[in-house]
Amino acid sequence: SAVISQKPSRDICQRGTSLTIQCQVDSQVTMMFWYRQQPGQSLTLIATANQGSEATYESGFVIDKFPISRPNLTFSTLTVSNMSPEDSSIYLCSVQGSTNIQYFGAGTRLSVL
Amino acid sequence: GQQLNQSPQSMFIQEGEDVSMNCTSSSIFNTWLWYKQEPGEGPVLLIALYKAGELTSNGRLTAQFGITRKDSFLNISASIPSDVGIYFCAGDAGGTSYGKLTFGQGTILTVHP
Repeated sequence: SAVISQKPSRDICQRGTSLTIQCQVDSQVTMMFWYRQQPGQSLTLIATANQGSEATYESGFVIDKFPISRPNLTFSTLTVSNMSPEDSSIYLCSVQGSTNIQYFGAGTRLSVL
Repeated sequence: GQQLNQSPQSMFIQEGEDVSMNCTSSSIFNTWLWYKQEPGEGPVLLIALYKAGELTSNGRLTAQFGITRKDSFLNISASIPSDVGIYFCAGDAGGTSYGKLTFGQGTILTVHP
C-alpha cells in the first residue's frame, strides 16, 4: 500500500479566502483523486487529478472553485477558492494502486468562519 | 448518477456479537470495496472484491460480492470495542468510470464492552 501525506491536517479560515491542500505519495502513481466529506456524510468525488493535463471534474464541481494541480506522479494540490461556511468539510486525497484499490490520506479538516 | 444504499445507518451492539451490513445498487459494479473510518482519519481499506460471488475474509471480517453485481455485504464476527467506527462500502463501475468510487452512506458501529 502507498503512504499518503496530506497538509495541512486541519485549518480554520475566513470566508472569501482560499486554501491550498497538498497531497504527497511515497511512490509514483498513475491515478490520484480528491474527495469531499461533508460533516456526518459520506465521501463524494470532486475530481481526478491527471498528471500533465487538466483535472477531470465530477458533476457539481468546477475548476474555478476547486483548481487542482498535478505536476508529477507523486504530488497534487487542491485549492478551495473564495471559501464560504458551506465549504467546511474534510477533503481527502486518494491514490489508486495496481489492483484497483484506492488508498486514502488522513484528510484535511477545514472550517470556514 | 450511481447511488449505493447502505444499511443499517447505525448499530449499537454488545461486545462479542456478530454484525452484518450491506450495500445495494441499481447499477452494476465491477469492484466492491469495504472501508473503515475512525475519527480524525481517512478511510482504511478492509476488503476488496473483484468477482461476482466472491467471498473473502480478513480475520474476523467476511465480505461477499453479490451474484447480480449490484450488492455486497460485510460481516464482522465476535465484535470487540476497537471495531467502533464508520464502515463504508464503495463501488467501482469500471469502463469510463474506472477509478471513480461511489460510496455508500456509511454504517456507524458502536460496541458496548
